[in-house]
Amino acid sequence: QVQLVQSGSELKKPGASVKVSCKASGYTFTNYALNWVRQAPGQGLEWMGWINTNTGNPTYAQGFTGRFVFSLDTSVSTAYLQISSLKAEDTAVYYCARGGPLGTANPGYYYMDVWGKGTTVTVSS
Amino acid sequence: DIVMTQSPDSLAVSLGERATINCKSSQSVLYSSNNKNYLAWYQQKPGQPPKLLIYWASTRESGVPDRFSGSGSGTDFTLTISSLQAEDVAVYYCQQYYTTPFTFGPGTKVDIK
Repeated sequence: QVQLVQSGSELKKPGASVKVSCKASGYTFTNYALNWVRQAPGQGLEWMGWINTNTGNPTYAQGFTGRFVFSLDTSVSTAYLQISSLKAEDTAVYYCARGGPLGTANPGYYYMDVWGKGTTVTVSS
Repeated sequence: DIVMTQSPDSLAVSLGERATINCKSSQSVLYSSNNKNYLAWYQQKPGQPPKLLIYWASTRESGVPDRFSGSGSGTDFTLTISSLQAEDVAVYYCQQYYTTPFTFGPGTKVDIK
């Protein structure tokens, strides 16, 4: 079945970096966009951006530029979210979510139909 | 950015009764060239990821019970649960994917009365 499997929880100190993985299975990874969504403790959902899994081109939402990097390893159908110079306010659950089929007119502009279970990143000294 | 608002913030409904959640976007999410509303609804239960319920404002995702329905167009949308079941207790979010940044509503918490 189609699924996204994310890496496990992380506890990091301020200033450190973290890399979250999202491994796809059950579909052709490079045929669909891949989104990242953040949920701070007790808060709502915040879209961070998406990556074109065919070209590797990322699109970042405002507020997620600079310290946040989306990347891919298509050989293992895996997307990554790396956050550097971690701050306490980065403490959140990070979700990857499948977007629309690539090759259409506006591939990024699609609903998110398959979600990973989320990776909890805790930043604390 | 398109701002999404939802009402009410929370509601409690008796089992078997109807629950209605409203969502409003600060600008239209109807794309005129294909006449589609770029609006989705998600359900999130505690400790779980969001689950897609409705897309294109009114198309039910495969496997979603038919007691869930979406309606509306342009800037005003509604999610209706026709007969609330115990397993429907959750937070419900609307989301626009008409333009980036994609934005979510603040969520509506649904509980049993």
